[in-house]
Amino acid sequence: QVQLVQSGAEVKKPGASVKVSCKASGYTFTSYGISWVRQAPGQGLEWMGWISAYNGNTNYAQKLQGRVTMTTDTSTSTAYMELRSLRSDDTAVYYCARMWYAAPLDYWGQGTLVTVSS
Amino acid sequence: DIQMTQSPSSLSASVGDRVTITCRASQGISNYLAWYQQKPGKVPKLLIYAASTLQSGVPSRFSGSGSGTDFTLTISSLQPEDVATYYCQKYNSAPFTFGGGTKVEIK
Repeated sequence: QVQLVQSGAEVKKPGASVKVSCKASGYTFTSYGISWVRQAPGQGLEWMGWISAYNGNTNYAQKLQGRVTMTTDTSTSTAYMELRSLRSDDTAVYYCARMWYAAPLDYWGQGTLVTVSS
Repeated sequence: DIQMTQSPSSLSASVGDRVTITCRASQGISNYLAWYQQKPGKVPKLLIYAASTLQSGVPSRFSGSGSGTDFTLTISSLQPEDVATYYCQKYNSAPFTFGGGTKVEIK
């Protein structure tokens, strides 16, 4: 069965960086991509970006350009999302989800809470 | 970028009621529209894709319609387990924007 297992909760200070992992199993990793979605407390879903696990192509949300980097390690079927220069409004649950380009997000990870606080 | 606007932002209905949620795209997206259900404290779940195709395992009381810019999610007979926030999302091309969400409660 398809599973996406994310790394654990993080607490970071403003200005720091965070790197969240998402380990995939139950399907051919390189046949899909991974989208990252975040949800601030009490707020809606925000799409952050997408990476192809086939060739590493990326698309990032414009508001995060320059602060976010998405990568994959095909040897371990793991996707990573790094967010730099953290601010308090980056406090959110971060989700990874399986997605091929122009297809819906059909499987989701369990979410990773990132708290940014001094 | 294409904006996705959902309405209403919240609604309260009785068990057994027919519930309709709308999603409007600022430009045409053909049928590249998905609906997700997020129950309180849970991970979002794919309900409908291609505007009207039910994801496997989703109850038949859920249905979707629309194409181009205007889309609808309908719950034909609201059940207590349908209390959740519902989001639409465009996926024809990046950015894969979500709507703002519609919170559904039981009256």
